[in-house]
Amino acid sequence: AQSVTQLGSHVSVSEGALVLLRCNYSSSVPPYLFWYVQYPNQGLQLLLKYTTGATLVKGINGFEAEFKKSETSFHLTKPSAHMSDAAEYFCAVSGAGGYNKLIFGAGTRLAVHP
Amino acid sequence: EPEVTQTPSHQVTQMGQEVILRCVPISNHLYFYWYRQILGQKVEFLVSFYNNEISEKSEIFDDQFSVERPDGSNFTLKIRSTKLEDSAMYFCASSESSGGSHEQFFGPGTRLTVL
Repeated sequence: AQSVTQLGSHVSVSEGALVLLRCNYSSSVPPYLFWYVQYPNQGLQLLLKYTTGATLVKGINGFEAEFKKSETSFHLTKPSAHMSDAAEYFCAVSGAGGYNKLIFGAGTRLAVHP
Repeated sequence: EPEVTQTPSHQVTQMGQEVILRCVPISNHLYFYWYRQILGQKVEFLVSFYNNEISEKSEIFDDQFSVERPDGSNFTLKIRSTKLEDSAMYFCASSESSGGSHEQFFGPGTRLTVL
């Protein structure tokens, strides 16, 4: 079975500050991990993903995440927040094999204030 | 850039009525999915579909739900007799290949409101 826990349903940062969105997962198989972003009235857009190999993955819009197996974590960071980063962020996990569904966390709403 | 489209963007229906939500996946994708998000809750997997067959479904996807690929481009989700608790945002997604590492591309969603 797989599950995802996102700590903090709401995160607020100042423009230019570090963004840190937390994600912990549980998986009985080697996990594939994803971060998706959802802007208002839009669908989910992939920010980045970890499958195998390098544990620090870089995504779009300056975001990156580090897979830490020992901590079962996949936290999302961005060094300097921009107003346009305000959105809802979802961490998701899937596993090895075919037809794999995504298991999502509850989401974290990021607010960026001037 | 290719994208997944969904129609309608918002559907209002009476309890007990049938609804069909439509999706046009990205043209060269072979794997299709439906997810839903009840207001204030997490995105939940409903069903995956490949080669004209359901490949996996969740416990939510009961006999009231069905999926179909009626032609070469559309992928539909039908709810036969809607209930109040079916009110949610429904997302369609598609991927080029199977395997959990492959990106699923999501549509903008259909907001279903059951009165």
